[in-house]
Amino acid sequence: DVVLTQTPVSLLISLGGQASISCRSSQSLVHSNGNTYLHWYLQKPGQSPQLLIYQVSNRFSGIPDRFSGSGSGTDFTLKISRVEPEDLGVYYCLQRTHNPWTFGGGTKLELK
Amino acid sequence: EVQLVESGGGLVQPGRSLKLSCAASGFTFSNYYMAWVRQAPTKGLEWVASITNSGGSTYYRDSVKGRFTISRDNAKSTLYLQMDSLRSEDTATYYCTRDMSYWGQGVMVTVSS
Repeated sequence: DVVLTQTPVSLLISLGGQASISCRSSQSLVHSNGNTYLHWYLQKPGQSPQLLIYQVSNRFSGIPDRFSGSGSGTDFTLKISRVEPEDLGVYYCLQRTHNPWTFGGGTKLELK
Repeated sequence: EVQLVESGGGLVQPGRSLKLSCAASGFTFSNYYMAWVRQAPTKGLEWVASITNSGGSTYYRDSVKGRFTISRDNAKSTLYLQMDSLRSEDTATYYCTRDMSYWGQGVMVTVSS
């Protein structure tokens, strides 16, 4: 199975600051069709996960441009600029290139 | 508005069965791939099973293969997860998702004697 390693495990950020989360894959996430199925989610406390970014860098409907995704192959990054209180929670990356689909272990974003 | 509402969870003894349902609305159900994802208490997310829009193909994680069955009724816009031979390690909140984009609120399944 593909292992996704997220770092850091937790992140202390001041309001208005910038956060960066890494997701590294044990193998390339480039599908045979040329697409890269690496997505990012935020799970706020007590809520279901919500999709933020799909296929590396595409913001999902309604997601503000403070969220951006980048990367290729095996290394991916989620950046959150101008952190707001509603950004707090656990961030997960997900790969859908290889079966079984696998999630990273999560990164908890907390206020400093 | 896309809505996914799970039901059917609860407390069940090891070795018994449970069937989860997910009622979908706000979109054309038959056009979308659906999936179940679970989250054990205080743990991360784990994909469980997926089904193509027609129901013609299904996929499972190894730990549930042969015990869980994902299915759908496109006429009723409903997704199902039949869970047999349940184990304590299946205890989790189970989420229904539309192509991993939209998620339901989740339903808790507790397997314990």
